[in-house]
Amino acid sequence: DAEITQSPRHKITETGRQVTLACHQTWNHNNMFWYRQDLGHGLRLIHYSYGVHDTNKGEVSDGYSVSRSNTEDLPLTLESAASSQTSVYFCASSEASGKSYNEQFFGPGTRLTVL
Amino acid sequence: GQSLEQPSEVTAVEGAIVQINCTYQTSGFYGLSWYQQHDGGAPTFLSYNGLDGLEETGRFSSFLSRSDSYGYLLLQELQMKDSASYFCAVSHTGTASKLTFGTGTRLQVTL
Repeated sequence: DAEITQSPRHKITETGRQVTLACHQTWNHNNMFWYRQDLGHGLRLIHYSYGVHDTNKGEVSDGYSVSRSNTEDLPLTLESAASSQTSVYFCASSEASGKSYNEQFFGPGTRLTVL
Repeated sequence: GQSLEQPSEVTAVEGAIVQINCTYQTSGFYGLSWYQQHDGGAPTFLSYNGLDGLEETGRFSSFLSRSDSYGYLLLQELQMKDSASYFCAVSHTGTASKLTFGTGTRLQVTL
């Protein structure tokens, strides 16, 4: 069965360190998204990609970067982790067109703590 | 700017019907989606409304009124397992697959 996975599921790091969160999907979806979820804010879009070598900034992109070298993966990098980036991070994917392109499929999430 | 408003919490009794409202202000509105998220879990898609009216999927229905910038999720025959957070999300013309989420409504189903 197709799926979307994230790793690690939990991460503790220190302020100033570079951290990369992995996202891998086997849906063969062109669209991929990264969100962060904090109490009182719901899900906020960090970066998104509509295909290989395409990346776009979302509403809370400062301090984060992504790259898309293949269809399956969209890693999220925190260049220099800050305590304000302590959050739960979700990756999602969706079709580029067709009946189901409004439906996003979410990974299980990564809980990141920055000390 | 963009904004979505939904109640922060709703409580209902098992077997009852509950309606979760969502009002939005956004430019270039394309459609309204609903997602469910259990504690500790990932959001899962429930429904999408691209046109005005009611969409029904089993016990869940979703409604959209573009003229009123308003939608709702209707849950019937509530079950304990429906206790979760529910998020409305808008998509926009030109970037229709990109979503802006509301802050979520926590539904507590009681006996």
